[in-house]
Amino acid sequence: AQKITQTQPGMFVQEKEAVTLDCTYDTSDPSYGLFWYKQPSSGEMIFLIYQGSYDQQNATEGRYSLNFQKARKSANLVISASQLGDSAMYFCAMTETSYDKVIFGPGTSLSVIP
Amino acid sequence: DTEVTQTPKHLVMGMTNKKSLKCEQHMGHRAMYWYKQKAKKPPELMFVYSYEKLSINESVPSRFSPECPNSSLLNLHLHALQPEDSALYLCASSQAAGRNTEAFFGQGTRLTVV
Repeated sequence: AQKITQTQPGMFVQEKEAVTLDCTYDTSDPSYGLFWYKQPSSGEMIFLIYQGSYDQQNATEGRYSLNFQKARKSANLVISASQLGDSAMYFCAMTETSYDKVIFGPGTSLSVIP
Repeated sequence: DTEVTQTPKHLVMGMTNKKSLKCEQHMGHRAMYWYKQKAKKPPELMFVYSYEKLSINESVPSRFSPECPNSSLLNLHLHALQPEDSALYLCASSQAAGRNTEAFFGQGTRLTVV
């Protein structure tokens, strides 16, 4: 069973607008971590933001924020004031304390339009 | 310093060749990972090393052979590969497996098997 779902294969956003990328996850482990990564066409996987399952506050890192809704098992990424350089694949990922692995969702391709 | 260095960046090899991919990190991380990524797909976990011991092998064919000579280095030895093994190979490291901390990735090796 797929543990991470990203329902938006592709998204478009106007430059300077905000955009939300969806992520839902499935786990029975009470202790887990949620991550977002950005992968430009160059291939490098860039860590953006982290949310722990016990964190009370939503994580923020500059223009990135994570909208964490634990009961709904969702961890959406919000990018504010989109820039052309934000065009890339975005992957939601998860770790569980009981397993030594980082699991990735299928990804969302974001295109920022001038 | 959050850098994971992978060499080479590009590799073309024949099906009878033997080659190695290298990965290095100096962050004191004790978990290191190999992922394989096909175009427009998420990374797929291949191997996990925890404290220099192989902890996970995701049923990877024996033509891929990982090695962790010390806590900073991770190798992937390649032998008798098939054209379908052509992909981006990503190395990553994290503080420790099962700790729900972010993994940092190298820029990857683009492998082409001819």
